[in-house]
Amino acid sequence: QKEVEQDPGPLSVPEGAIVSLNCTYSNSAFQYFMWYRQYSRKGPELLMYTYSSGNKEDGRFTAQVDKSSKYISLFIRDSQPSDSATYLCASEANAGGTSYGKLTFGQGTILTVHP
Amino acid sequence: KAGVTQTPRYLIKTRGQQVTLSCSPISGHRSVSWYQQTPGQGLQFLFEYFSETQRNKGNFPGRFSGRQFSNSRSEMNVSTLELGDSALYLCASTQLPTDTQYFGPGTRLTVL
Repeated sequence: QKEVEQDPGPLSVPEGAIVSLNCTYSNSAFQYFMWYRQYSRKGPELLMYTYSSGNKEDGRFTAQVDKSSKYISLFIRDSQPSDSATYLCASEANAGGTSYGKLTFGQGTILTVHP
Repeated sequence: KAGVTQTPRYLIKTRGQQVTLSCSPISGHRSVSWYQQTPGQGLQFLFEYFSETQRNKGNFPGRFSGRQFSNSRSEMNVSTLELGDSALYLCASTQLPTDTQYFGPGTRLTVL
């Protein structure tokens, strides 16, 4: 079983829709959670970073973490065709030892927003 | 501030050869992590360097190695290339103290 599970989709929505992307994790040592966006043939771009349970909002993006159920989500409001990309969730344990510099990623969800 | 740069962007090698990839982190960042991305396995952690020291290593064979220089630039080397080494190799520069990682564009390696 992978430490971070993510539905690969693909997910196709109309422009303006609310998108919900989800991941679950199994490692209780994970304390930090990120969402990255990756366009084709590009490197991942950091969208959101959070370390506590609850919601964090940045513009059209909201990251939600529930540590009790080991569930992380990303919501995109008013989705645009330019949001079409692969979305990757990632987790990191407390700094130190075998966690230095190591992000554990989900498989990525391919999102298409059509006009 | 300039982002993470990786060179070369594309490489084609044949089985048995070796390859060296380079990464320049964001100015002021001293930690660099390397990842391999493939369609089947996704993004997998290779190793991390901080102040010229490897602090962490992923589950990859010894053919994969790296180093970091005093200016924080990093290189990774893959020896005796195999077909399965074809992948996008990504370097990430870490901002302390949040450990936030910023990725470069990657080097796409094709092994024939």
